[in-house]
Amino acid sequence: AQSVTQPDIHITVSEGASLELRCNYSYGATPYLFWYVQSPGQGLQLLLKYFSGDTLVQGIKGFEAEFKRSQSSFNLRKPSVHWSDAAEYFCAVGAGSGGGADGLTFGKGTHLIIQP
Amino acid sequence: KAGVTQTPRYLIKTRGQQVTLSCSPISGHRSVSWYQQTPGQGLQFLFEYFSETQRNKGNFPGRFSGRQFSNSRSEMNVSTLELGDSALYLCASSMGGNTEAFFGQGTRLTVV
Repeated sequence: AQSVTQPDIHITVSEGASLELRCNYSYGATPYLFWYVQSPGQGLQLLLKYFSGDTLVQGIKGFEAEFKRSQSSFNLRKPSVHWSDAAEYFCAVGAGSGGGADGLTFGKGTHLIIQP
Repeated sequence: KAGVTQTPRYLIKTRGQQVTLSCSPISGHRSVSWYQQTPGQGLQFLFEYFSETQRNKGNFPGRFSGRQFSNSRSEMNVSTLELGDSALYLCASSMGGNTEAFFGQGTRLTVV
């Protein structure tokens, strides 16, 4: 069965500093990987996705992620964080009969705190 | 284009009752998935429907069921509610296949 590990439950970063959120996955086939962000009381917003091709993917809000098959990782990065980036971040791997996004396994999430 | 709409947003039920949650997907999307989010277990996949057929199911008891209508709208039902069913229930829609899922705002269910 597939699984996703986000080793950091909380991360605190100063505004303007760079950010890297870690994600490791376990999946038997070529994974479909996603990063979502959730603000308090809200649903999930897709930041970026990896299906195939270029291993460095660009997303919204200045985020990017790099797929490293050898390390089973899909870490999320941002060169300079803004106070509005404070939220919960979830890494997910795709599964299901339809492939892709039909049935996702999520990590436990990383809570990002931005210090002024 | 309208996003995924979930109703109601908030719900309070008593243990032993049943509840039905509704999800209207993005127009043109035929796949609807449901997830349960709790502080302890995180986000867990409940089931997925495509063209009115359940194609995928997570590890939840039979008290959790769902259906999808011909217009792709979906409902989720939980019978004999337990305190542990208190959670944020999220619905996601996609075009199916290798496409991303878009999530609704969720329904916050509280069981007392």
